[in-house]
Amino acid sequence: QVQLQESGPGLVKPSETLSLTCTVSGGSISTYYWSWIRQLPGKGLEWIAYIYSSGSTNYNPSLNSRVTLSVDSSKNQFYLKLRSVTAADTAVYYCARTTNIRGYTAYDLWGQGTLVTVSS
Amino acid sequence: AIQMTQSPSSLSASVGDRVTITCRASQGIRNDLGWYQQKPGKAPKLLIYGASRLESGVPSRFSGSGSGTDFTLTISSLQPEDFATYYCLQEYNYPRTFGQGTKVEIK
Repeated sequence: QVQLQESGPGLVKPSETLSLTCTVSGGSISTYYWSWIRQLPGKGLEWIAYIYSSGSTNYNPSLNSRVTLSVDSSKNQFYLKLRSVTAADTAVYYCARTTNIRGYTAYDLWGQGTLVTVSS
Repeated sequence: AIQMTQSPSSLSASVGDRVTITCRASQGIRNDLGWYQQKPGKAPKLLIYGASRLESGVPSRFSGSGSGTDFTLTISSLQPEDFATYYCLQEYNYPRTFGQGTKVEIK
C-alpha cells in the first residue's frame, strides 16, 4: 500500500533553512495533491502548503512567504523548504496526501512525522 | 482565514458513554469538513469527510453531522481505543484550518 516517509535534519539553527523530503512509496506521486502540515509542541495542527504533482502550489500566508515546495516525480518525492527559521518553527512536520472522495477532499494518508528542533 | 472553534477542549468519559464534540466555523463552509483522530506520537487519522461521510474502515460508532457553520462528531459508545485527541478541519478554502482539538480522556 502507499506510504509516506518524511526525512531531513532533526536540528536546524536559527535563521537557517529547514529542508524536508517526503518520499512516496508503493504508489505514484502523480495526479494527487501533497501537503505539509505541522504540529507545534503540545499544540494543534497547522497547514503549511500543498503542491500538485504538476508543480502548482498554494502556501499558508501565515508563514510570510518563507516556504517553498517542490516535487520530483521521477523520484516520487516532494520537498519543503522553510527559510529564516526561529524557535517558533520547532514542530513535528507531517507530509500528507489529499484525496478526492466522492467530490470531497480529505487527508487520507499521512507520514509518521518528523520532529524538527530549531536551536543553536 | 476561516477560524475553527472546537468545544470542549477536553472531556472525561467512560467506556460505553456517548460523546459529542462540536466545531464551529467563522463563516459558512457548506459541508466541507473533516474529522481526524490523533493518538500520542502518531499522525492524525481521517475519520469523517464531507461532514458526515465515514472513511472506509472506520467503525460505525463514529458519525458526523452539520452543515454551514456548525458541526458535530459523535461517538455512540466510547471504546478504550477511542481515547485520543480529535480535530476538525475545514476543507472549504485555503489556507486549510484546524480546530484546536478536543482531548478525550478516561474518567
